[in-house]
Amino acid sequence: AQTVTQSQPEMSVQEAETVTLSCTYDTSENNYYLFWYKQPPSRQMILVIRQEAYKQQNATENRFSVNFQKAAKSFSLKISDSQLGDTAMYFCASREYNNNDMRFGAGTRLTVKP
Amino acid sequence: GAGVSQTPSNKVTEKGKYVELRCDPISGHTALYWYRQSLGQGPEFLIYFQGTGAADDSGLPNDRFFAVRPEGSVSTLKIQRTERGDSAVYLCASSLMAGVADTQYFGPGTRLTVL
Repeated sequence: AQTVTQSQPEMSVQEAETVTLSCTYDTSENNYYLFWYKQPPSRQMILVIRQEAYKQQNATENRFSVNFQKAAKSFSLKISDSQLGDTAMYFCASREYNNNDMRFGAGTRLTVKP
Repeated sequence: GAGVSQTPSNKVTEKGKYVELRCDPISGHTALYWYRQSLGQGPEFLIYFQGTGAADDSGLPNDRFFAVRPEGSVSTLKIQRTERGDSAVYLCASSLMAGVADTQYFGPGTRLTVL
């Protein structure tokens, strides 16, 4: 069974600085995807970045990048040059191939301070 | 085009009542997912449709929950004999195909409160 753990319920960062959100996961499969979703107060989940487990290269999307450590089953999200609009809940998720169940962590509430 | 929409935005009902929650996916998306998000938690998978059929309903908590997608587009999540523990935000997502790499686009959810 898949499990996803986010051990930081809340984080804060000053505008323009860098912050890293932690995520660990467990799966018995070799083929899976990992995701970070952002959920602002509007409740609409937005995909931030995703990583294919078989790719060693860390995914990047503009100011967002991940540190994927497959052996350690760790998948952290780094946000560079934080902006006020980055304030939101961030959820880490995993999904195994041939499995319809995308498993989410409990989330980290990130506040960007001016 | 428009994103995923869900109605109503908020629903307050009394214990024991029946409720229907509606999801309009992005046009052309064949896969549709329902999730439940309890307070302070991440979303939990409930059911997945590929076209008109429920391809996986393993996440439905019990037989009071049922979902349909009769024409392969709009979906309705139905909850009978609601209980206070059903209070949560119900999220719908759609994707073009059902593959693990296909991006799921989420709606804003329906907040259900059972008094």
